[in-house]
Amino acid sequence: GQQVQQSPTSLVLQEGENAELQCNFSTSLNSMQWFYQRPGGSLVSVFYNPSGTKQSGRLTSTTVIKERRSSLHISSSQITDSGTYLCAMDANSGTYQRFGTGTKLQVVP
Amino acid sequence: EAAVTQSPRNKVTVTGGNVTLSCRQTNSHNYMYWYRQDTGHGLRLIHYSYGAGNLQIGDVPDGYKATRTTQEDFFLLLELASPSQTSLYFCASSDNFSQNTLYFGAGTRLSVL
Repeated sequence: GQQVQQSPTSLVLQEGENAELQCNFSTSLNSMQWFYQRPGGSLVSVFYNPSGTKQSGRLTSTTVIKERRSSLHISSSQITDSGTYLCAMDANSGTYQRFGTGTKLQVVP
Repeated sequence: EAAVTQSPRNKVTVTGGNVTLSCRQTNSHNYMYWYRQDTGHGLRLIHYSYGAGNLQIGDVPDGYKATRTTQEDFFLLLELASPSQTSLYFCASSDNFSQNTLYFGAGTRLSVL
């Protein structure tokens, strides 16, 4: 079964609104990352966040390992935030990272 | 800045055709990966390698071969392409296994008619 579940699948925001993206894992995890994929483009790492909270500008990532979940909070969204956000994790067994199916975010004026 | 270059960017072939996708990284990373991205499935790992001459299978290796000729170069081979292999393919590299960020190429869009 799918080891990495992301929600919501898609999201439309008006510019300035906040967003909360979720990532849940079916197995114990060793580390996880959030990636941003611009429309039709490549992926760029946003956060490497094994546990706890990290912030970078308007983005905040919180990972709770014992609860097997991570969230990405986007504050004061901008049109340029539009794209797909993917989370990836690797399990305690030290295997390669597995990705969720992503949350497609569209920020409109 | 990490650099991963894929070629070609777009490729169209017919069923049964022979396709080679190329990837080069210039960061002296040990690990290289080939993923495919399909709607509803996210990114799925096909093959990966931790050095020249090494090859490991991922989650969806069937129908694909791969070869790591040097530390920089990793190739994905489709010897008898099928329509089910129509997808967006990404190459990535990382310094260490899983606990370091992945650096992705721009992707290759492959269509098998």
